[in-house]
Amino acid sequence: AQSVTQLGSHVSVSEGALVLLRCNYSSSVPPYLFWYVQYPNQGLQLLLKYTSAATLVKGINGFEAEFKKSETSFHLTKPSAHMSDAAEYFCAVSDRSFSNYQLIWGAGTKLIIKP
Amino acid sequence: NAGVTQTPKFRILKIGQSMTLQCTQDMNHNYMYWYRQDPGMGLKLIYYSVGAGITDKGEVPNGYNVSRSTTEDFPLRLELAAPSQTSVYFCASRNRGETEAFFGQGTRLTVV
Repeated sequence: AQSVTQLGSHVSVSEGALVLLRCNYSSSVPPYLFWYVQYPNQGLQLLLKYTSAATLVKGINGFEAEFKKSETSFHLTKPSAHMSDAAEYFCAVSDRSFSNYQLIWGAGTKLIIKP
Repeated sequence: NAGVTQTPKFRILKIGQSMTLQCTQDMNHNYMYWYRQDPGMGLKLIYYSVGAGITDKGEVPNGYNVSRSTTEDFPLRLELAAPSQTSVYFCASRNRGETEAFFGQGTRLTVV
């Protein structure tokens, strides 16, 4: 069965510093991978996704993620944090057939930006 | 384009009461989902539907029921509310052949 592990329930960075949010998955074949962001009292919004093309994926708001098959990882990065990036970030995985039509979600990482 | 609309946004229920969480999407998406979100647990799938008239259980269906009489609507029913159902509930939809799911703003439910 697939699973997703997000390392760190909370990550704190200073404004202007590098943001790195970690996501590892377990799957027998390369899956589809997603990062969603949830701002306070909001629904989830897609940041970026990996489906099969380039392994470095660029998303909205300056975020990007790199799919590394050998490490079964899909870490999310942003070169310079902004106060508006404070939110909770979720990594999710689905197999390529979308069997059962569902995503498997990580527990989430709350990103805290220090002024 | 409204996207996915959930009502109500907040609700407090007493143990044993029942209620329906409403979800409507105007994107003509085939697939719709109900998730619950608990702190530190990520999202858990309750029920999903691949089209009008077709529903199936997800990971945590106990205590809930759904129906899908139209493409647009996917209500979630709680028959006998329990404190364990205190959570934030999200409805989502996705189009066939697409990988992105669109989420509503959530319903925060407290059972006391």
